[in-house]
Amino acid sequence: QKEVEQNSGPLSVPEGAIASLNCTYSDRVSQSFFWYRQYSGKSPELIMSIYSNGDKEDGRFTAQLNKASQYVSLLIRDSQPSDSATYLCAVNRVLWNSGNTPLVFGKGTRLSVIA
Amino acid sequence: DVKVTQSSRYLVKRTGEKVFLECVQDMDHENMFWYRQDPGLGLRLIYFSYDVKMKEKGDIPEGYSVSREKKERFSLILESASTNQTSMYLCASSPGLAGDFYEQYFGPGTRLTVT
Repeated sequence: QKEVEQNSGPLSVPEGAIASLNCTYSDRVSQSFFWYRQYSGKSPELIMSIYSNGDKEDGRFTAQLNKASQYVSLLIRDSQPSDSATYLCAVNRVLWNSGNTPLVFGKGTRLSVIA
Repeated sequence: DVKVTQSSRYLVKRTGEKVFLECVQDMDHENMFWYRQDPGLGLRLIYFSYDVKMKEKGDIPEGYSVSREKKERFSLILESASTNQTSMYLCASSPGLAGDFYEQYFGPGTRLTVT
């Protein structure tokens, strides 16, 4: 089982709609979860972090975490063409072989917002 | 704002050359990371450092070494570049004590081509 799984997409949504991006992870004891946005040819940019079960809202973005289901999602409300990018989910690896817990990244979901 | 800079945006090297990629962060972060990103394979961790002179292997350390002599600077070294090391290389930094990593912030990346 892959450590972090995302649907590669592309996910196409019309402008103004809600985009829903999903991520599942295998390490049941993971504690830290992140969403990054990556435009083509650019480096990943952190947009959300979440550490507790439930929802966390920041502007048009909402991160949702369900540790029992090992599931984290990102909702983008009022999607804009400028939101078109690849969204990467990242999870810390508590079961790493030392005391450190580096992140593991999913391969990303490509989002296309159609004007 | 966190700023992570990398020495080159584009680099072309020949097979067998020794290659140095430099990364500098200005936020006094304890932790620094090197990744490579390839189509279809996503972001993969090469090495990370959680303190000056402290380093740890990531998922794909073979063919690479690192150096961290100062807190703000983390270097990735390709001892003898090979064509399969052609990739986008991304540096990141994060705050936190050893073993306790938080949000990572990425540099702009170096696209390395080995011919």
